[in-house]
Amino acid sequence: AQTVTQSQPEMSVQEAETVTLSCTYDTSESDYYLFWYKQPPSRQMILVIRQEAYKQQNATENRFSVNFQKAAKSFSLKISDSQLGDAAMYFCAYGGNKLVFGAGTILRVKS
Amino acid sequence: GAVVSQHPSWVICKSGTSVKIECRSLDFQATTMFWYRQFPKQSLMLMATSNEGSKATYEQGVEKDKFLINHASLTLSTLTVTSAHPEDSSFYICSAGPPSGGLTDTQYFGPGTRLTVL
Repeated sequence: AQTVTQSQPEMSVQEAETVTLSCTYDTSESDYYLFWYKQPPSRQMILVIRQEAYKQQNATENRFSVNFQKAAKSFSLKISDSQLGDAAMYFCAYGGNKLVFGAGTILRVKS
Repeated sequence: GAVVSQHPSWVICKSGTSVKIECRSLDFQATTMFWYRQFPKQSLMLMATSNEGSKATYEQGVEKDKFLINHASLTLSTLTVTSAHPEDSSFYICSAGPPSGGLTDTQYFGPGTRLTVL
């Protein structure tokens, strides 16, 4: 069975600074997808970024980028120029026919 | 695009009653929908996978007779919590997707339903 581990329960970042959230996963599959979802206080799950495992190029969405290391089974999220609106719970997820979520990382943004 | 709604957003009920939660894909057809449960400050736990026109597939440990799932159309799935008890109080989230032509294996989430059982 696939597992997803987020080892940072909480992280803090100063506004306009950069922060990296860690995620590792375990799978025996070779073709899969990885996701980062954001859950703000409203609790609406929002897709932040998606990575296809067969693509070596790291995905990027504006201020959000990932460092995908397939051999190491690592999938970290980098948030550049952090904004107050980035404060939320961030979940890393492994996707096959269903999603497996990590425990989440609470990100606090200081002004 | 890819908007998913849930109704109600918050429901309070008495112990022993049943509660129905609706999940709708508003601008796309969803062959598959998923139901999750989330306790405060915890991750999402998949309860079941709902397939249009067939029986839902429940995760291990989830009581299928307590959590009835019906996926009657390509835009609507319902979760009914039968004979609810205080321990069923939780935040229930549905997801759907991907829409046709959309990102493979990507799920889009509803806003969630907070259930409180007194």
